[in-house]
Amino acid sequence: DQQVKQNSPSLSVQEGRISILNCDYTNSMFDYFLWYKKYPAEGPTFLISISSIKDKNEDGRFTVFLNKSAKHLSLHIVPSQPGDSAVYFCAANGGYSTLTFGKGTMLLVSP
Amino acid sequence: GAGVSQSPRYKVAKRGQDVALRCDPISGHVSLFWYQQALGQGPEFLTYFQNEAQLDKSGLPSDRFFAERPEGSVSTLKIQRTQQEDSAVYLCASSPSGNPSPLHFGNGTRLTVT
Repeated sequence: DQQVKQNSPSLSVQEGRISILNCDYTNSMFDYFLWYKKYPAEGPTFLISISSIKDKNEDGRFTVFLNKSAKHLSLHIVPSQPGDSAVYFCAANGGYSTLTFGKGTMLLVSP
Repeated sequence: GAGVSQSPRYKVAKRGQDVALRCDPISGHVSLFWYQQALGQGPEFLTYFQNEAQLDKSGLPSDRFFAERPEGSVSTLKIQRTQQEDSAVYLCASSPSGNPSPLHFGNGTRLTVT
């Protein structure tokens, strides 16, 4: 039973355009959400997070939006760069749960 | 080093062999986690330590899996009598405190059971 779902296995975007990665969750106890980025043969690296008391958090080109009523969050990357090409994992925790990951979305940014 | 260090990076084991995977967390990090990542999947939680105490081992798939962190620093994940379905990348992560805080991951150990 997937508590964190990333329904798009892959996304292709042109350099300079916006990338939007989506994530849905089912556990209403989740109150802290994170995005990780992963290059091949490396471990996931933390990108940005948001707690449930906020609906938006911004860090440079990266913005995470949280819609608690819809149990949905998204990561916006503007402008996208070829170096952003990687697998992006959405993760969540809260209550008694440890960090739970989605299956990931592979982003390809083409020049 | 500044990051989480895992060894070996790659391990090939014949079915039935025992393996031991090592994790050196970031110095001073209280919490340590082990995750298993199968091909095409996200990391799945295995077990969690706070200092030397194993507070949650609910994700360990069978009693063939055992983890320890005897002095609250280095941790070892041991898999006995390996099976082909154990083939995966095993990720270790640490954080300065308990939830919520981002986890810092190592580069993982890729285990292949033949």
